[in-house]
Amino acid sequence: DSGVTQTPKHLITATGQRVTLRCSPRSGDLSVYWYQQSLDQGLQFLIHYYNGEERAKGNILERFSAQQFPDLHSELNLSSLELGDSALYFCASSVDTGYEQYFGPGTRLTVT
Amino acid sequence: GQQLNQSPQSMFIQEGEDVSMNCTSSSIFNTWLWYKQDPGEGPVLLIALYKAGELTSNGRLTAQFGITRKDSFLNISASIPSDVGIYFCAGAMKTSYDKVIFGPGTSLSVIP
Repeated sequence: DSGVTQTPKHLITATGQRVTLRCSPRSGDLSVYWYQQSLDQGLQFLIHYYNGEERAKGNILERFSAQQFPDLHSELNLSSLELGDSALYFCASSVDTGYEQYFGPGTRLTVT
Repeated sequence: GQQLNQSPQSMFIQEGEDVSMNCTSSSIFNTWLWYKQDPGEGPVLLIALYKAGELTSNGRLTAQFGITRKDSFLNISASIPSDVGIYFCAGAMKTSYDKVIFGPGTSLSVIP
């Protein structure tokens, strides 16, 4: 158990819908990262927040957005969902920026 | 952009054999990380390397930070069935955007 929690574990929704994925970092970690992993693909970096501020953006679509709240939990919002958005979404946390990241169990999103 | 290459892409070995895999980049990093991912689970941090030339062990796993800072190696000795999974390397470099780059992964299968 990495100490990072993600909810929900599974999510099935229809195209065009909007969903919110939630992540709670390890106690004491200030950084939260979001990754997308499609079937048999590597980890695609989406976005990084540090202590409430956006620090880096990767290949994140304009339909996706995220935020980190004062209690340091983070939410990833996915809107106007398409079939191709079906994937595992992981969040990871670290004490500082970059370096050792600890991953949550992931949310499996299925868009039908 | 920055990219990491991992080789081999996949490998099938007999239980008890030693395993070697590597990760290379055209860019230099000041941190190398190795993760293992089981199917449907989040990646688990195995080893972190912070200094060029550093050799670090974690049980049967040994990883090295290449002298050029552009590569890293992971060795697994006396493989066992639970070593099955995907091994990801990741490089980190303090930049203006604080991002960790993940390789595409090496899939390991162990034949009992």
